[in-house]
Amino acid sequence: QKEVEQNSGPLSVPEGAIASLNCTYSDRGSQSFFWYRQYSGKSPELIMFIYSNGDKEDGRFTAQLNKASQYVSLLIRDSQPSDSATYLCAVNPPGNLFFGTGTRLTVIP
Amino acid sequence: DAGVIQSPRHEVTEMGQEVTLRCKPISGHNSLFWYRQTMMRGLELLIYFNNNVPIDDSGMPEDRFSAKMPNASFSTLKIQPSEPRDSAVYFCASSSPLAGTGETQYFGPGTRLLVL
Repeated sequence: QKEVEQNSGPLSVPEGAIASLNCTYSDRGSQSFFWYRQYSGKSPELIMFIYSNGDKEDGRFTAQLNKASQYVSLLIRDSQPSDSATYLCAVNPPGNLFFGTGTRLTVIP
Repeated sequence: DAGVIQSPRHEVTEMGQEVTLRCKPISGHNSLFWYRQTMMRGLELLIYFNNNVPIDDSGMPEDRFSAKMPNASFSTLKIQPSEPRDSAVYFCASSSPLAGTGETQYFGPGTRLLVL
């Protein structure tokens, strides 16, 4: 079992819709959780981090964490074509950091 | 701040040659990470340093790979001898722990390596 699992997609949503990206992890000792966005040919850039159960909102982005279910998600409201990218989930068990393989999102104008 | 700096940005070499990738972390960051990214395997952590000391190199694929961090502002990843299966994008990232938030990593632009 991989440390971090994501659906590779591609996930396609129409412009203006809500995009929902999901991630599960195996290490219950994980403490911090990150979402990175990676445009094609570019390096990953941090969008959000969350470390407490519940929701964390930042503009059009909302991260949701459920430690009991070992599940973290990212919601993108009012999706824009510029949101088209690969989204990487990263999980931080003590002393390490594991990335998922990413979900490719396409927002259709 | 200039961000994480990597060089070269692109490298094309022949099988058997030595390849050296370089990284300058963000000033003040005390952790440095080397990653490899391929379509098949995604982003893989190769090794990370904390305060210039290698902490975990379990991701280094084999003895052909070595990494050093002689000081807080410079690190190298060396492949000797290189093989075609080493072709990938190699990222360097640095971080500085923030209280209560784990370690947020900032990535360099990457080195695109092609071994023929």
